[in-house]
Amino acid sequence: EAGVTQFPSHSVIEKGQTVTLRCDPISGHDNLYWYRRVMGKEIKFLLHFVKESKQDESGMPNNRFLAERTGGTYSTLKVQPAELEDSGVYFCASSQFPGETQYFGPGTRLLVL
Amino acid sequence: AQSVTQLDSQVPVFEEAPVELRCNYSSSVSVYLFWYVQYPNQGLQLLLKYLSGSTLVKGINGFEAEFNKSQTSFHLRKPSVHISDTAEYFCAVSPRGSARQLTFGSGTQLTVLP
Repeated sequence: EAGVTQFPSHSVIEKGQTVTLRCDPISGHDNLYWYRRVMGKEIKFLLHFVKESKQDESGMPNNRFLAERTGGTYSTLKVQPAELEDSGVYFCASSQFPGETQYFGPGTRLLVL
Repeated sequence: AQSVTQLDSQVPVFEEAPVELRCNYSSSVSVYLFWYVQYPNQGLQLLLKYLSGSTLVKGINGFEAEFNKSQTSFHLRKPSVHISDTAEYFCAVSPRGSARQLTFGSGTQLTVLP
């Protein structure tokens, strides 16, 4: 069974540009989570989808971040416009049922110059 | 709200020596507890978890952890480490019985020396 996949693995952009990250959860997992780790800090929750609905987006830092999960399959996280402090590793995770073990993808390493 | 403290950011240890990575948490509600590991250039992998039952939990690769409710700790141990255990280890909690997010500690870099 394929695990959680994320694309791209790395992205280097300039301040002010737009970047879109993609996450494909494990097939059949309705719950999809986004997390972020900025340099040297904790991994922090961004938001949680149940199918195509946003269950909890309390961790989204500001309105420059937009997450979507059309059709309840893969999800995208768009940062527009990117700022220097957005640099970090963005992780996606999925679980079959709420509260069950979350399986993580390899992350997308974003560097904003 | 929950918080997780990993007391050691870096732990160097010689191969075949025992290791303990410390984790303390704070929460106003009951929680599930997890340890994840991130090997170089890879994603987070679940090492073990405590949901209920026996407070001693065994995970993959010979690791185990013990839940201590009175001390609100969930320390990770391995009796004899290998070079391949070099990785970053994260302790995490989530509230029981809900579809809530994980709250992570800041991570402990374990470096196994030959």
